[in-house]
Amino acid sequence: DQQVKQNSPSLSVQEGRISILNCDYTNSMFDYFLWYKKYPAEGPTFLISISSIKDKNEDGRFTVFLNKSAKHLSLHIVPSQPGDSAVYFCAASGSTGSGGGADGLTFGKGTHLIIQP
Amino acid sequence: DAMVIQNPRYQVTQFGKPVTLSCSQTLNHNVMYWYQQKSSQAPKLLFHYYDKDFNNEADTPDNFQSRRPNTSFCFLDIRSPGLGDAAMYLCATSRDFSEQYFGPGTRLTVT
Repeated sequence: DQQVKQNSPSLSVQEGRISILNCDYTNSMFDYFLWYKKYPAEGPTFLISISSIKDKNEDGRFTVFLNKSAKHLSLHIVPSQPGDSAVYFCAASGSTGSGGGADGLTFGKGTHLIIQP
Repeated sequence: DAMVIQNPRYQVTQFGKPVTLSCSQTLNHNVMYWYQQKSSQAPKLLFHYYDKDFNNEADTPDNFQSRRPNTSFCFLDIRSPGLGDAAMYLCATSRDFSEQYFGPGTRLTVT
């Protein structure tokens, strides 16, 4: 049973528009959430994170929103650029430390974002 | 400047033939992880080293072992690979469980 779910395997967005990637989780012990970006033939790279004590974190074009009551988070990218085309993984941690503590990170299956010119 | 290096990038092995995947890091991080990612699946943690302390996930098969001879290197040994072990193997590092830095992965094919 998946504790972190990304229900959209792929998403296509026009360049310049907003991309919204969604993630749901089931484990109420998770208290830190991360987004990773992965290009083909490369490992995932850390993008942005949010602690459960916040509901929003912003870094340039990237904003992550957390709705704890709904156990839902989303990543907004605005404006979307061609270089944003990649697979985006949502990950969650339930231990101290943003890297997942002794339990490591629990990942979703990823969403393939395609930015169309 | 590669920070987490995995060799080889592609590995082909025969059914039942032991294989070793390698990971090295230049970050001097004290935690190193191995994840397995099968096609269209989420990366799944196999085990991690906190300094020299080895921590195995409860559902990691005995077929998978790991060695960490020093801070910089960590190896994943698959004693008797089966067809179901074909996957991408990702190594990651962190400083005391802070953000993890991933290597490019080794894609393992079992024939």
